[in-house]
Amino acid sequence: DIQMTQSPSTLSASVGDRVTITCRARQSIRSWLAWYQQKPGKAPSLLIYKASNLESGVPSRFSGSGSGTEFTLTISSLQPDDFATYYCQQYNSDQLTFGGGTKVEIK
Amino acid sequence: QLQLQESGPGLVRPSETLSLTCTVSGGSITTDSYYWGWIRQPPGEGLEWLASIYYSGSTYYNPSLKSRVTISVDTSKNQFSLKLNSVTAADTAVYYCARRRYFDSFREWGQGTLVTVSS
Repeated sequence: DIQMTQSPSTLSASVGDRVTITCRARQSIRSWLAWYQQKPGKAPSLLIYKASNLESGVPSRFSGSGSGTEFTLTISSLQPDDFATYYCQQYNSDQLTFGGGTKVEIK
Repeated sequence: QLQLQESGPGLVRPSETLSLTCTVSGGSITTDSYYWGWIRQPPGEGLEWLASIYYSGSTYYNPSLKSRVTISVDTSKNQFSLKLNSVTAADTAVYYCARRRYFDSFREWGQGTLVTVSS
């Protein structure tokens, strides 16, 4: 299976900060990558699909980039509602894998 | 609007079989191009994909769990199910069911159900 590595595992930031989360794949997954946001006690919610496509209804301060093995999720100006845990997930293979998650905390 | 709802025992004894069902409403489980899956999340940990199925019966499994996991579909009830045998405390988790298109991400998720493995 394709291992996905996210960094950092925890990130402390303030409202208004620009935040970047990285996800690396052990082998090329082309652009078959999704980003999810998860809040405590809730199911994950899709933010970005196919590496850089914003899901309908998701604020434009979220963006994704990358292809091959390195990907980033950027929040251009962190809002109070954005404090959550973020996961990447590859779907280049029939065996799907998630990154370990990045928790965005209030600084 | 599509809704998914997990159901099953919240407590399973070690070495027994965990059985969960996901009931789909607001759409058909036989809709072309949609795959149905199970994902779990141990308390305080990350997400782990377990298995996926297409309504025709094609199945896909996480290699690390393949020997213990079975996914199945019941089109007459608009449901799909998960069985995980020989459970241990390490299988304690919130179990989610979800839907995706082939070569796409999971857009629709159930609310999740906590299953605790304990004697």
